Amino acid sequence: DQQVKQNSPSLSVQEGRISILNCDYTNSMFDYFLWYKKYPAEGPTFLISISSIKDKNEDGRFTVFLNKSAKHLSLHIVPSQPGDSAVYFCAAISETSGSRLTFGEGTQLTVNP
Amino acid sequence: ETGVTQTPRHLVMGMTNKKSLKCEQHLGHNAMYWYKQSAKKPLELMFVYNFKEQTENNSVPSRFSPECPNSSHLFLHLHTLQPEDSALYLCASSQRAFRDAFGYTFGSGTRLTVV
Repeated sequence: DQQVKQNSPSLSVQEGRISILNCDYTNSMFDYFLWYKKYPAEGPTFLISISSIKDKNEDGRFTVFLNKSAKHLSLHIVPSQPGDSAVYFCAAISETSGSRLTFGEGTQLTVNP
Repeated sequence: ETGVTQTPRHLVMGMTNKKSLKCEQHLGHNAMYWYKQSAKKPLELMFVYNFKEQTENNSVPSRFSPECPNSSHLFLHLHTLQPEDSALYLCASSQRAFRDAFGYTFGSGTRLTVV
């Protein structure tokens, strides 16, 4: 039973345009969501997070949107840069389920110059 | 050196071999984790250690044996593995188990190939 899903294994965008990465979840007890970025041969690094009491969190070029009723969150990167090319993992956490950090499958983003 | 360091970076082992993966963190964190990343699958939590005590074993086969001698070091001992155990094994740490506002700090992983 996969509780966090990233249905797009890959996404390709042009430099300067917006990248939108999507994530869906099934567990309504999740109360905190995180995005991680992973370059080849490196471990994932924390990018941005959002609490379930918010619907938007912005940090520079990165914005995460949360739609609790749809159990959907998205990461917007604008403008996209070639250095943003990486695998992006969505993750969710719930204190009531032992605060386990549950990951999605990841989406490979490629930003073309 | 800072961050989370994993050794070796790459490991090829036969099914009858015994090997160990090592993880070391210099962040003063109290919790450490082993994750497995297989191709096109989510990161799978294997083990959690909080203040050197194992607090979670996510139904991992006994051919994987973790060891946490102190809060800074974590090992994963491997024996009689199967080819399907080939994956990227990631170590992570956090200030405390799970409820860390900025998530975990990951190592670069060990790419394991079982032949």
